[in-house]
Amino acid sequence: DQQVKQNSPSLSVQEGRISILNCDYTNSMFDYFLWYKKYPAEGPTFLISISSIKDKNEDGRFTVFLNKSAKHLSLHIVPSQPGDSAVYFCAVKSNTGKLIFGQGTTLQVKP
Amino acid sequence: DAGVIQSPRHEVTEMGQEVTLRCKPISGHDYLFWYRQTMMRGLELLIYFNNNVPIDDSGMPEDRFSAKMPNASFSTLKIQPSEPRDSAVYFCASSLIGGFLTNTEAFFGQGTRLTVV
Repeated sequence: DQQVKQNSPSLSVQEGRISILNCDYTNSMFDYFLWYKKYPAEGPTFLISISSIKDKNEDGRFTVFLNKSAKHLSLHIVPSQPGDSAVYFCAVKSNTGKLIFGQGTTLQVKP
Repeated sequence: DAGVIQSPRHEVTEMGQEVTLRCKPISGHDYLFWYRQTMMRGLELLIYFNNNVPIDDSGMPEDRFSAKMPNASFSTLKIQPSEPRDSAVYFCASSLIGGFLTNTEAFFGQGTRLTVV
């Protein structure tokens, strides 16, 4: 049973526009939420995170939003660049240190 | 630090053979995770350790899979016997312990691509 779901397997956007990636989770006990980025033939790398006491965290072009009541997480990339093309995974961390990932969304940013 | 090191990078084996994947976590990290990447389930958590002790192995798909962490600098994931459906990329990751509401991002190795024919 998937505790973290990314319902969109892929997303295509034009360079310069906004990319919005979504993630839903089932357990309200998770206390930390993360986004990772993965290029082919490489391991995932950390991108941005947010704790459960916040609803927004911004780092340059990347902003993560957390809606605890809806158990929903999103990543906004503005403006999108071709180099952002990758697979994006959302992840949730429990207070036992368990780190669970979603299925991933493949983002393609077209020049 | 060189980061999380996994070996081998690629492994091709015949069905029924034993396969051992290896991982060296970042020095000082006290959590170690094994994941399997598949199209259907994304990054699937197989097992994780805290201070070399397995905490949760509920993600291990079958008894054919086993993992050990004999010391803080080494872990193995073994599949015996291997089957074609085990073909996937296996990742190891490590992180530091963190308190409540603390970010303890995990650092990943480059993965082992396993092909069972």
